[in-house]
Amino acid sequence: QKEVEQDPGPLSVPEGAIVSLNCTYSNSAFQYFMWYRQYSRKGPELLMYTYSSGNKEDGRFTAQVDKSSKYISLFIRDSQPSDSATYLCAMKGKNDYKLSFGAGTTVTVRA
Amino acid sequence: SQTIHQWPATLVQPVGSPLSLECTVEGTSNPNLYWYRQAAGRGLQLLFYSVGIGQISSEVPQNLSASRPQDRQFILSSKKLLLSDSGFYLCAWSFPGGRSNQPQHFGDGTRLSIL
Repeated sequence: QKEVEQDPGPLSVPEGAIVSLNCTYSNSAFQYFMWYRQYSRKGPELLMYTYSSGNKEDGRFTAQVDKSSKYISLFIRDSQPSDSATYLCAMKGKNDYKLSFGAGTTVTVRA
Repeated sequence: SQTIHQWPATLVQPVGSPLSLECTVEGTSNPNLYWYRQAAGRGLQLLFYSVGIGQISSEVPQNLSASRPQDRQFILSSKKLLLSDSGFYLCAWSFPGGRSNQPQHFGDGTRLSIL
């Protein structure tokens, strides 16, 4: 069993739709959770960073963490074609240097 | 603000040749530095990390090595490349010490093809 599981998709939605992405994990020591966006042939760009259960909102993006279920989500509201990218979840334990990544979900937003 | 630079962006090398990829960070002192490899359709795999000059920790035994000759410079090397070394190599940084639980920030990577 992988430490972090992420549905690879691909996911295709019409412009304006809500995009829902999620990851599950098995290591209960994980305390810090991140979502990265990666455009083709580019490095991952940090979108959201959370360290507690609950919701965190930043513009059109909402990150949700449920530590009791070992489940994290990212929601993108009013999706735009520019949101078309691969989204990676990542997580780490306290004072760990290593990030554990999901395999990434490729999203296409159709104009 | 902090910036990270990686070069080259693309590299094609023959099997058995040496490798040197460079990464530099600007705008912060004594950052934690990381080398990752990303294979197609898979998540990122941590190869090396460094918390200071000359301090290198290896996560995966392999044909590669890393060095940190200066505070904000991180180098990934190989003496003889293998076909299996092909991939997308990413450098990242994070704040040191008490801020080490802050997220990592990535460069734009080097796409390495071995022929």
